[in-house]
Amino acid sequence: LAKTTQPISMDSYEGQEVNITCSHNNIATNDYITWYQQFPSQGPRFIIQGYKTKVTNEVASLFIPADRKSSTLSLPRVSLSDTAVYYCLVGLNSGAGSYQLTFGKGTKLSVIP
Amino acid sequence: DVKVTQSSRYLVKRTGEKVFLECVQDMDHENMFWYRQDPGLGLRLIYFSYDVKMKEKGDIPEGYSVSREKKERFSLILESASTNQTSMYLCASTLTGGRTEAFFGQGTRLTVV
Repeated sequence: LAKTTQPISMDSYEGQEVNITCSHNNIATNDYITWYQQFPSQGPRFIIQGYKTKVTNEVASLFIPADRKSSTLSLPRVSLSDTAVYYCLVGLNSGAGSYQLTFGKGTKLSVIP
Repeated sequence: DVKVTQSSRYLVKRTGEKVFLECVQDMDHENMFWYRQDPGLGLRLIYFSYDVKMKEKGDIPEGYSVSREKKERFSLILESASTNQTSMYLCASTLTGGRTEAFFGQGTRLTVV
C-alpha cells in the first residue's frame, strides 16, 4: 500500500506562497498523485493531479521529483479562503479491476490575516 | 456536472436501529466509496465497490455492510447502530484507472443516541 505522510498543520500569512510536501515511498509505477482540498462540513474536492515532473493549473502547482517518492503542492499567494485541510492521495489498484482510494489525515492549513 | 448525492444531510437514529445511508452518482462511474470522518482522524475508508454487486472492505468495515445492486447507487448499512458510529459519512465515486479524480457527496452527519 502506498501510504502517505504529510505535516499535520501549517500556518501562513495572506499573500505568501505555501508549499505542502507529502511523502509516499511505496508509490507504484502506475499510481498518480492527487491532492484534494476540504472545507469544514463539505466533502473533499479535487485540486490537482500529476504523475511526474510539474503540473500547474489555475489553482496550484504540483512538483514531483524523478523518484516520485514525494510530491509538493504549491499554493501561490494564499488568501483566507484557502484555509482548509489538504490531502495527498496516491491511488492503488487492489486487483480484479478495483481501485482503492485511501486518505491520510491531511494537512490543516491556516491562513492568517 | 458530476453529481454525487447523499440521501440525507443530517440524520438522528437510536441505538440498535438499522440505518441505511444512500448514495447516488450520475456519471456512470465504476468505483464508489464510503468514508467516515471524525475530528483528528481524517477520512477513513469503510467499504468500496468497483462494480455492481462487488465490494471490498476498507480500513474500518466492522459494524457496517454495503449494497450495490445498481451501478449508480451504493448503500451503507449500519445493522445495529451504536453511539460510536456517530460521525460524518462521505460517499465518493471515480472512474477506473490511475488518472482519475474522486467526486464526493455533501456528507451525512449521523448522530446515534
